[in-house]
Amino acid sequence: RKEVEQDPGPFNVPEGATVAFNCTYSNSASQSFFWYRQDCRKEPKLLMSVYSSGNEDGRFTAQLNRASQYISLLIRDSKLSDSATYLCVVISGGSYIPTFGRGTSLIVHP
Amino acid sequence: GAVVSQHPSWVICKSGTSVKIECRSLDFQATTMFWYRQFPKQSLMLMATSNEGSKATYEQGVEKDKFLINHASLTLSTLTVTSAHPEDSSFYICSARDLSTLQETQYFGPGTRLLVL
Repeated sequence: RKEVEQDPGPFNVPEGATVAFNCTYSNSASQSFFWYRQDCRKEPKLLMSVYSSGNEDGRFTAQLNRASQYISLLIRDSKLSDSATYLCVVISGGSYIPTFGRGTSLIVHP
Repeated sequence: GAVVSQHPSWVICKSGTSVKIECRSLDFQATTMFWYRQFPKQSLMLMATSNEGSKATYEQGVEKDKFLINHASLTLSTLTVTSAHPEDSSFYICSARDLSTLQETQYFGPGTRLLVL
């Protein structure tokens, strides 16, 4: 089993839709979790950190479920500009080495 | 957020030549930087962890003599692809963590596209 798994998609949604992605991780000692966004042929950019209590930033909500070992990203009112690949990143305690999921592709169409 | 730069952005070279890629943290110090490689439509693959003042730690399957890493200062790490071949053509990205913030957020350089002819 891979350390960090994501559904590669693509998720094809209309503008205004709500879409959610999940990411599962296998190491129960994982401590830090992030969602990054990567546009085509560009470097990944931090979208948001994921805290145990969950966090929200505008249209984006991230949540962590330690018991089931997954994190989620919810995007409300999708915009065309949200089209990108969303990468889940997990850092295990002590190593500080980030492990990336393969990313979930989102396509928002008019 | 913190800024990481990479140079060059693009490299086109002949097979057999060596290519050096620089990764710099511009406004923070990074004792550790990470080097990744990404093939089209694939995930980022960690190649090695670059440690300032000591040898890099390579991931399984990554040849240390092929991909030379030097982390000579707290703001600069270099990756040299020695005797590059067409199969080395890829998108190489570095990342660094700003230790002063105690956060584990990774900041990425803009990447270097390498094309070996």
